[in-house]
Amino acid sequence: DQQVKQNSPSLSVQEGRISILNCDYTNSMFDYFLWYKKYPAEGPTFLISISSIKDKNEDGRFTVFLNKSAKHLSLHIVPSQPGDSAVYFCAASGGLGSARQLTFGSGTQLTVLP
Amino acid sequence: KAGVTQTPRYLIKTRGQQVTLSCSPISGHRSVSWYQQTPGQGLQFLFEYFSETQRNKGNFPGRFSGRQFSNSRSEMNVSTLELGDSALYLCASSYQDNEQFFGPGTRLTVL
Repeated sequence: DQQVKQNSPSLSVQEGRISILNCDYTNSMFDYFLWYKKYPAEGPTFLISISSIKDKNEDGRFTVFLNKSAKHLSLHIVPSQPGDSAVYFCAASGGLGSARQLTFGSGTQLTVLP
Repeated sequence: KAGVTQTPRYLIKTRGQQVTLSCSPISGHRSVSWYQQTPGQGLQFLFEYFSETQRNKGNFPGRFSGRQFSNSRSEMNVSTLELGDSALYLCASSYQDNEQFFGPGTRLTVL
């Protein structure tokens, strides 16, 4: 049972436009959400996170939105740059004793076209 | 500050052998977690250590084990290797119960 889902395996966006990556979760115990970027043959790089007490968190070009009632979060990248091309993973944690256990989605390959 | 380091970066073993992977966390980080990444199953949590104690364990067989030393460095061991154990093994460290920072991974190939 996939508790964190990224339903779009790939996304292509033109340079300078907005990239929107989506993530859905089913476990209502999750209370902390993170986005990671991953290049081939490298470990995931932390991008941005959000606690369930917030509905938005912004860091430079990256903004994460959380809709708890819909169990949905999204990552917005504005403006998109060719260097943003990578696989993006959504991850979640939460519940007693599981704060250090991240559950990952399957990833979305973002391609930013010059 | 140096990032998470993992050794070796690449490893080739045969079925039935055992393997030990090493991870050095970011200085000051006391929590170390291990993940397995495969094309079919994605990124899956193996276990997490804090102050030399395993605090959390994922759904993997007992062939997968780990430990943490007093300097927070961690090792994971896989015994009786199977073909399906071929994967990228990632180590992550964290200071608090929030963001985890990943190392580059160890690519294990089992022949």
